[in-house]
Amino acid sequence: AQSVTQLDSQVPVFEEAPVELRCNYSSSVSVYLFWYVQYPNQGLQLLLKYLSGSTLVESINGFEAEFNKSQTSFHLRKPSVHISDTAEYFCAGVTGGGNKLTFGTGTQLKVEL
Amino acid sequence: EAGVTQSPTHLIKTRGQQATLRCSPISGHTSVYWYQQALGLGLQFLLWYDEGEERNRGNFPPRFSGRQFPNYSSELNVNALELEDSALYLCASSLDPPGTPNTGELFFGEGSRLTVL
Repeated sequence: AQSVTQLDSQVPVFEEAPVELRCNYSSSVSVYLFWYVQYPNQGLQLLLKYLSGSTLVESINGFEAEFNKSQTSFHLRKPSVHISDTAEYFCAGVTGGGNKLTFGTGTQLKVEL
Repeated sequence: EAGVTQSPTHLIKTRGQQATLRCSPISGHTSVYWYQQALGLGLQFLLWYDEGEERNRGNFPPRFSGRQFPNYSSELNVNALELEDSALYLCASSLDPPGTPNTGELFFGEGSRLTVL
């Protein structure tokens, strides 16, 4: 079974609309969870991470994600997206005894005018 | 401060040839990770090196190999290239392994795009 599952391969949304990118993790994943973003023709950059403590984590550019243990989810949300948010977003979790970061298959967010 | 650098940016090879990809981590980072990003498959973990040793390996055949040098730079070698090896190969470095409470952040390079014809 996939350790980290991103349910949507593509999410089109209009500018200034809210968006949610879904991520679920399996029991083989430890509770270290991350969202990375990949802008066109670039490498991945860390967007936010959950290691412990408050289940709601925020990034500097308005994204937030909530760790939900009962639903084994770590969905990424933004209340109002911009054109510049167009990118591919990857959810990731620590597996393999704590020394491997396993990524989901990615969600392409396309923001339209 | 320089980020993770990878070379070459693009590489074109034919089936059966060998490819060598290189990565320089951020100064001070001792761990280097290699991932394969093939179309539609997300990022697949290939290899993890730390302090010159291979610490973990993904589900790839032995023709994928690598090493880490004393200056912590790393090399990924792919022998007997096959068409399905065409992908973006991403290198990342970190100060601590992903499972440690203080970090988990991997810093990625922009990748080397390998095309096998």
